[in-house]
Amino acid sequence: DAKTTQPTSMDCAEGRAANLPCNHSTISGNEYVYWYRQIHSQGPQYIIHGLKNNETNEMASLIITEDRKSSTLILPHATLRDTAVYYCIVREHKAAGNKLTFGGGTRVLVKP
Amino acid sequence: DTEVTQTPKHLVMGMTNKKSLKCEQHMGHRAMYWYKQKAKKPPELMFVYSYEKLSINESVPSRFSPECPNSSLLNLHLHALQPEDSALYLCASRQGEQGPLGNTIYFGEGSWLTVV
Repeated sequence: DAKTTQPTSMDCAEGRAANLPCNHSTISGNEYVYWYRQIHSQGPQYIIHGLKNNETNEMASLIITEDRKSSTLILPHATLRDTAVYYCIVREHKAAGNKLTFGGGTRVLVKP
Repeated sequence: DTEVTQTPKHLVMGMTNKKSLKCEQHMGHRAMYWYKQKAKKPPELMFVYSYEKLSINESVPSRFSPECPNSSLLNLHLHALQPEDSALYLCASRQGEQGPLGNTIYFGEGSWLTVV
């Protein structure tokens, strides 16, 4: 699976949009971009994933550049409960050997 | 419903003890996973079961022994562990079918293990 690069940490203000960048310059054509987050002392939580089109769900929006070498996760109105480590992962959808490999992630602190 | 249930939530064991961690899901998922997470580090894959057969073992020491008795249950048997094995152990599952819905992996809340 392709490697990703994320900022180590970032702060954002409560109520504002949080934009989390991720670089994945070696992504291959059949690899998807997944985002998970892990709130302190809990298991990772699936947020969203996409292949090449932008995606939106009730939690977040995912913007993928046209060349697919980078993406941005957008939390439209950050709350204190969004404080967590956010992981950007690229992976293939395979029938066998299908796994999720975590990088360092971005530690997001939402401040009042 | 995307619930993966892990028990116990906390476990303290001595280095000579034998204990087990249990994971259960009733979503009909056919792939199940064990991950290990040390403090302030990302989760690391240990084992993957696909259709009740072990498909990936990431060179995990034999003191960790996984078992998949049926498609809903995944156990991790622990024996002769070391203090450095203290960590959060995460179970996860995936539907197992092809396509975007079948490939999303869902995690439980984890079992905190302390080896003394």
